[in-house]
Amino acid sequence: ELKVEQNPLFLSMQEGKNYTIYCNYSTTSDRLYWYRQDPGKSLESLFVLLSNGAVKQEGRLMASLDTKARLSTLHITAAVHDLSATYFCAVDIGGTYKYIFGTGTRLKVLA
Amino acid sequence: DVKVTQSSRYLVKRTGEKVFLECVQDMDHENMFWYRQDPGLGLRLIYFSYDVKMKEKGDIPEGYSVSREKKERFSLILESASTNQTSMYLCASSSILGAFFGQGTRLTVV
Repeated sequence: ELKVEQNPLFLSMQEGKNYTIYCNYSTTSDRLYWYRQDPGKSLESLFVLLSNGAVKQEGRLMASLDTKARLSTLHITAAVHDLSATYFCAVDIGGTYKYIFGTGTRLKVLA
Repeated sequence: DVKVTQSSRYLVKRTGEKVFLECVQDMDHENMFWYRQDPGLGLRLIYFSYDVKMKEKGDIPEGYSVSREKKERFSLILESASTNQTSMYLCASSSILGAFFGQGTRLTVV
């Protein structure tokens, strides 16, 4: 059974600090996606990682993928309050465009 | 701009009612999904469709059925709504660029 695990599940951090969210998955996949969800809203796409070693950056967020280790990271640099949200990673099952989502990491950035 | 539209943002239904949740996408995607999201449980896949009239059960299909008569439309049906089906329902379609979500339907069954 494919499992996608994120840690931490909850993260409270001060503005200006750096932190990393980890996404581990249990089966071979070359495609991994990160999403953001604000309270009461739907999910919006952040990053699309389609190969081993892929790295994408947008503002204070950077995502990377190591398919050999079955690990993706979402790194937050100099956090600001606007980054407070829940972040999900999702893995494509065998290139089928069918996705299994991680449990989500709820991030709270304190002023 | 990619668009997945769910027919309702909020719904309140009575126990035992038949409930239809509609979802339309304009991206010509073959794959469409229905997820359910509950606090602490993340997103759970209810049903998946990879083509017109084709469907697969997800992790929690019990109490639900789906219909896909046209490529752009994927409907979730609660045959007889129960209070434990109170939840946020998310529709999505997908491509290599990932899953694109609708705005969600918050369903309350009373």
